[in-house]
Amino acid sequence: DVKVTQSSRYLVKRTGEKVFLECVQDMDHENMFWYRQDPGLGLRLIYFSYDVKMKEKGDIPEGYSVSREKKERFSLILESASTNQTSMYLCASRWGQETQYFGPGTRLLVL
Amino acid sequence: ELKVEQNPLFLSMQEGKNYTIYCNYSTTSDRLYWYRQDPGKSLESLFVLLSNGAVKQEGRLMASLDTKARLSTLHITAAVHDLSATYFCAVGRGSQGNLIFGKGTKLSVKP
Repeated sequence: DVKVTQSSRYLVKRTGEKVFLECVQDMDHENMFWYRQDPGLGLRLIYFSYDVKMKEKGDIPEGYSVSREKKERFSLILESASTNQTSMYLCASRWGQETQYFGPGTRLLVL
Repeated sequence: ELKVEQNPLFLSMQEGKNYTIYCNYSTTSDRLYWYRQDPGKSLESLFVLLSNGAVKQEGRLMASLDTKARLSTLHITAAVHDLSATYFCAVGRGSQGNLIFGKGTKLSVKP
């Protein structure tokens, strides 16, 4: 079975802090994605990556950056956390055009 | 711009009844995905529909795709409480195939 893990299930941070969210997949998937999920807005794509060291902006990249130094790991970085970044963050991976496999999610609260 | 609309957004059903969730999308795509999300959990892949007329069934859930009408349906037969969850459809966008998600249908099955 595909396994996608995220470094934290819950995080509480202060405004202005730098926040790292890590995602690891164990199926050698080339494609990895970061979404945020908010009530009434559904899932929105922040960034994605099709290969190591490669990144592309999604629909809402402002305030975020990403890093993919190894194929299995995709990190989301909030350079200076703000309260409007309080959300559920979901990582996903997939091979080709197959279905995406999602991690358990990180619920981030920025105070 | 690709838009994905689900309806209804909320659905309260009685056990044993049948119902259908609709997923309309605005531009051509030949890939449609259905996911399930339980409260506080991540998304789980249900179906991948890759061609016009595709039909897939798993237990009490059946999904179909009509690419000409840009419509997918998720039919629930003889609902049971365990089916209570939020169901998302997602459509592949462009050559890279990033997914655009609908806002989800929150299904509640009552005895």
